Amino acid sequence: GENVEQHPSTLSVQEGDSAVIKCTYSDSASNYFPWYKQELGKRPQLIIDIRSNVGEKKDQRIAVTLNKTAKHFSLHITETQPEDSAVYFCAATTGFQKLVFGTGTRLLVSP
Amino acid sequence: EPEVTQTPSHQVTQMGQEVILRCVPISNHLYFYWYRQILGQKVEFLVSFYNNEISEKSEIFDDQFSVERPDGSNFTLKIRSTKLEDSAMYFCASRFQRGDRTDTQYFGPGTRLTVL
Repeated sequence: GENVEQHPSTLSVQEGDSAVIKCTYSDSASNYFPWYKQELGKRPQLIIDIRSNVGEKKDQRIAVTLNKTAKHFSLHITETQPEDSAVYFCAATTGFQKLVFGTGTRLLVSP
Repeated sequence: EPEVTQTPSHQVTQMGQEVILRCVPISNHLYFYWYRQILGQKVEFLVSFYNNEISEKSEIFDDQFSVERPDGSNFTLKIRSTKLEDSAMYFCASRFQRGDRTDTQYFGPGTRLTVL
Protein backbone atom coordinates (compact mmCIF):
# COMPACT_ATOMS: atom_id res chain seq x y z
CA GLY A 1 0.00 0.00 0.00
CA GLU A 2 0.85 3.65 -0.12
CA ASN A 3 3.46 5.05 2.25
CA VAL A 4 4.10 8.77 2.65
CA GLU A 5 7.20 10.16 4.29
CA GLN A 6 7.50 13.77 5.33
CA HIS A 7 10.45 15.96 6.30
CA PRO A 8 11.39 17.81 8.36
CA SER A 9 9.46 16.95 11.49
CA THR A 10 10.09 20.41 12.90
CA LEU A 11 10.88 23.64 11.10
CA SER A 12 11.64 26.95 12.74
CA VAL A 13 11.87 30.10 10.65
CA GLN A 14 11.89 33.84 11.19
CA GLU A 15 8.91 35.86 10.08
CA GLY A 16 9.29 36.76 6.42
CA ASP A 17 11.46 33.76 5.60
CA SER A 18 10.38 30.95 3.30
CA ALA A 19 9.53 27.45 4.50
CA VAL A 20 9.72 24.25 2.50
CA ILE A 21 8.26 20.90 3.52
CA LYS A 22 8.95 17.79 1.49
CA CYS A 23 7.07 14.53 1.07
CA THR A 24 7.71 11.35 -0.84
CA TYR A 25 5.20 8.69 -1.74
CA SER A 26 5.56 5.09 -2.79
CA ASP A 27 2.53 4.23 -4.94
CA SER A 28 2.91 5.45 -8.50
CA ALA A 29 -0.88 5.14 -8.88
CA SER A 30 -1.43 8.01 -6.44
CA ASN A 31 -2.90 10.94 -8.32
CA TYR A 32 -4.03 13.49 -5.77
CA PHE A 33 -1.88 15.22 -3.18
CA PRO A 34 -3.48 17.56 -0.65
CA TRP A 35 -1.80 19.53 2.07
CA TYR A 36 -3.57 20.13 5.36
CA LYS A 37 -2.82 22.63 8.10
CA GLN A 38 -3.76 21.64 11.61
CA GLU A 39 -3.75 24.08 14.49
CA LEU A 40 -3.66 22.74 18.02
CA GLY A 41 -6.85 20.87 18.85
CA LYS A 42 -8.48 21.75 15.55
CA ARG A 43 -9.50 19.83 12.45
CA PRO A 44 -7.12 19.43 9.50
CA GLN A 45 -7.88 22.20 7.02
CA LEU A 46 -7.03 21.87 3.34
CA ILE A 47 -4.69 24.65 2.25
CA ILE A 48 -3.72 23.53 -1.23
CA ASP A 49 -3.83 20.41 -3.36
CA ILE A 50 -2.35 19.21 -6.61
CA ARG A 51 -3.36 16.57 -9.09
CA SER A 52 -0.96 14.34 -10.93
CA ASN A 53 -1.54 16.04 -14.27
CA VAL A 54 -0.05 19.28 -12.93
CA GLY A 55 3.54 20.02 -11.92
CA GLU A 56 3.01 23.14 -9.86
CA LYS A 57 0.20 25.10 -8.29
CA LYS A 58 0.26 28.41 -6.47
CA ASP A 59 -2.18 30.22 -4.23
CA GLN A 60 -0.89 33.55 -2.95
CA ARG A 61 1.98 32.74 -0.55
CA ILE A 62 1.57 28.99 -0.84
CA ALA A 63 2.76 26.76 -3.65
CA VAL A 64 3.03 23.05 -4.19
CA THR A 65 5.28 21.24 -6.64
CA LEU A 66 5.00 17.65 -7.79
CA ASN A 67 7.65 15.46 -9.38
CA LYS A 68 5.91 12.27 -10.50
CA THR A 69 9.09 10.64 -11.73
CA ALA A 70 10.79 11.00 -8.37
CA LYS A 71 7.50 10.53 -6.49
CA HIS A 72 7.90 13.57 -4.34
CA PHE A 73 5.98 16.75 -3.72
CA SER A 74 6.74 19.85 -1.71
CA LEU A 75 4.96 22.69 0.01
CA HIS A 76 6.47 26.14 -0.23
CA ILE A 77 5.35 29.00 1.98
CA THR A 78 6.82 32.41 1.25
CA GLU A 79 6.86 35.49 3.48
CA THR A 80 5.92 33.42 6.50
CA GLN A 81 3.83 35.00 9.24
CA PRO A 82 3.34 33.96 12.89
CA GLU A 83 -0.17 32.75 12.04
CA ASP A 84 1.39 30.20 9.70
CA SER A 85 2.61 28.37 12.81
CA ALA A 86 0.87 24.97 12.89
CA VAL A 87 1.40 21.34 11.97
CA TYR A 88 1.31 20.67 8.26
CA PHE A 89 0.44 17.26 6.85
CA CYS A 90 0.91 16.07 3.32
CA ALA A 91 -1.23 13.24 2.01
CA ALA A 92 -1.62 11.07 -1.05
CA THR A 93 -4.43 9.04 -2.51
CA THR A 94 -5.12 6.93 -5.54
CA GLY A 95 -8.42 8.65 -5.92
CA PHE A 96 -11.42 6.93 -4.49
CA GLN A 97 -10.47 5.89 -1.08
CA LYS A 98 -8.32 6.76 1.85
CA LEU A 99 -5.91 9.57 2.31
CA VAL A 100 -2.51 8.37 3.47
CA PHE A 101 -0.92 11.06 5.57
CA GLY A 102 2.67 11.95 6.22
CA THR A 103 3.93 12.23 9.77
CA GLY A 104 3.53 15.99 9.92
CA THR A 105 5.80 19.02 10.15
CA ARG A 106 5.54 21.41 13.05
CA LEU A 107 6.22 24.86 11.64
CA LEU A 108 7.13 27.61 14.07
CA VAL A 109 7.36 31.15 12.74
CA SER A 110 9.03 33.53 15.14
CA PRO A 111 8.27 37.26 14.99
CA GLU B 1 -20.00 27.37 3.66
CA PRO B 2 -21.22 23.87 4.60
CA GLU B 3 -19.11 21.98 7.12
CA VAL B 4 -18.86 18.49 8.50
CA THR B 5 -20.07 18.40 12.08
CA GLN B 6 -19.33 15.89 14.82
CA THR B 7 -20.75 15.14 18.24
CA PRO B 8 -19.77 14.95 20.98
CA SER B 9 -16.64 17.07 21.00
CA HIS B 10 -15.26 15.08 23.91
CA GLN B 11 -16.26 11.64 25.17
CA VAL B 12 -14.89 10.07 28.31
CA THR B 13 -15.64 6.39 28.86
CA GLN B 14 -14.56 3.45 30.93
CA MET B 15 -12.60 0.63 29.36
CA GLY B 16 -14.95 -2.03 28.01
CA GLN B 17 -17.83 0.36 27.41
CA GLU B 18 -19.44 0.99 24.06
CA VAL B 19 -19.25 4.42 22.46
CA ILE B 20 -20.93 5.89 19.41
CA LEU B 21 -19.39 8.84 17.67
CA ARG B 22 -21.64 10.84 15.40
CA CYS B 23 -20.98 12.79 12.25
CA VAL B 24 -23.11 14.80 9.89
CA PRO B 25 -21.32 14.96 6.53
CA ILE B 26 -21.83 17.73 4.02
CA SER B 27 -25.24 17.13 2.50
CA ASN B 28 -24.42 16.38 -1.14
CA HIS B 29 -21.33 14.33 -0.43
CA LEU B 30 -21.24 10.67 -1.33
CA TYR B 31 -18.12 9.28 0.33
CA PHE B 32 -17.62 9.17 4.05
CA TYR B 33 -14.56 8.38 6.13
CA TRP B 34 -13.39 7.93 9.66
CA TYR B 35 -9.81 8.70 10.66
CA ARG B 36 -8.15 8.80 14.02
CA GLN B 37 -5.21 10.73 15.40
CA ILE B 38 -3.44 9.63 18.54
CA LEU B 39 -2.06 12.65 20.37
CA GLY B 40 1.02 13.99 18.65
CA GLN B 41 0.88 11.49 15.80
CA LYS B 42 -0.31 11.52 12.22
CA VAL B 43 -3.85 11.07 11.03
CA GLU B 44 -4.62 7.41 10.29
CA PHE B 45 -7.33 6.01 8.06
CA LEU B 46 -9.92 3.75 9.65
CA VAL B 47 -12.71 3.15 7.17
CA SER B 48 -14.41 4.49 4.07
CA PHE B 49 -18.10 4.17 3.28
CA TYR B 50 -19.94 4.56 0.02
CA ASN B 51 -23.37 3.54 -1.21
CA ASN B 52 -24.31 2.24 2.23
CA GLU B 53 -21.44 -0.13 2.59
CA ILE B 54 -17.82 -0.20 3.68
CA SER B 55 -15.55 0.24 0.67
CA GLU B 56 -12.24 -0.05 2.48
CA LYS B 57 -11.01 -0.52 6.02
CA SER B 58 -7.64 -0.50 7.69
CA GLU B 59 -6.07 -3.04 10.02
CA ILE B 60 -7.07 -0.81 12.91
CA PHE B 61 -10.74 -1.28 12.04
CA ASP B 62 -11.25 -4.67 13.64
CA ASP B 63 -14.42 -6.41 14.80
CA GLN B 64 -14.80 -3.96 17.66
CA PHE B 65 -15.55 -1.18 15.18
CA SER B 66 -18.60 -0.66 13.05
CA VAL B 67 -20.04 2.14 10.96
CA GLU B 68 -23.55 2.98 10.00
CA ARG B 69 -25.50 5.55 8.10
CA PRO B 70 -28.81 5.17 9.91
CA ASP B 71 -30.60 7.93 8.01
CA GLY B 72 -29.91 10.35 5.22
CA SER B 73 -27.72 12.64 7.26
CA ASN B 74 -25.86 10.90 10.08
CA PHE B 75 -22.79 8.72 9.84
CA THR B 76 -21.74 6.91 13.00
CA LEU B 77 -18.72 5.06 14.29
CA LYS B 78 -19.32 2.53 17.06
CA ILE B 79 -16.65 0.99 19.22
CA ARG B 80 -18.18 -1.97 21.04
CA SER B 81 -15.73 -2.51 23.85
CA THR B 82 -13.28 0.33 24.22
CA LYS B 83 -9.64 -0.21 25.09
CA LEU B 84 -7.14 2.23 26.54
CA GLU B 85 -5.39 2.40 23.17
CA ASP B 86 -8.59 3.64 21.52
CA SER B 87 -7.99 7.01 23.16
CA ALA B 88 -7.51 9.41 20.28
CA MET B 89 -9.13 12.18 18.29
CA TYR B 90 -11.58 10.71 15.79
CA PHE B 91 -12.23 12.70 12.64
CA CYS B 92 -15.06 12.20 10.21
CA ALA B 93 -14.56 13.36 6.63
CA SER B 94 -16.72 13.50 3.56
CA ARG B 95 -16.18 13.98 -0.14
CA PHE B 96 -18.14 14.60 -3.27
CA GLN B 97 -17.20 12.78 -6.43
CA ARG B 98 -17.44 14.15 -9.93
CA GLY B 99 -16.66 11.48 -12.49
CA ASP B 100 -13.05 10.41 -12.27
CA ARG B 101 -11.92 13.59 -10.56
CA THR B 102 -10.66 13.19 -7.04
CA ASP B 103 -12.23 15.74 -4.78
CA THR B 104 -11.24 17.19 -1.50
CA GLN B 105 -12.02 15.43 1.74
CA TYR B 106 -13.46 17.84 4.26
CA PHE B 107 -12.85 17.06 7.89
CA GLY B 108 -15.08 17.54 10.87
CA PRO B 109 -13.84 19.13 14.09
CA GLY B 110 -13.23 15.75 15.70
CA THR B 111 -14.32 13.89 18.79
CA ARG B 112 -11.72 13.45 21.47
CA LEU B 113 -12.23 9.99 22.97
CA THR B 114 -10.65 9.32 26.33
CA VAL B 115 -10.78 5.76 27.64
CA LEU B 116 -10.06 5.36 31.33
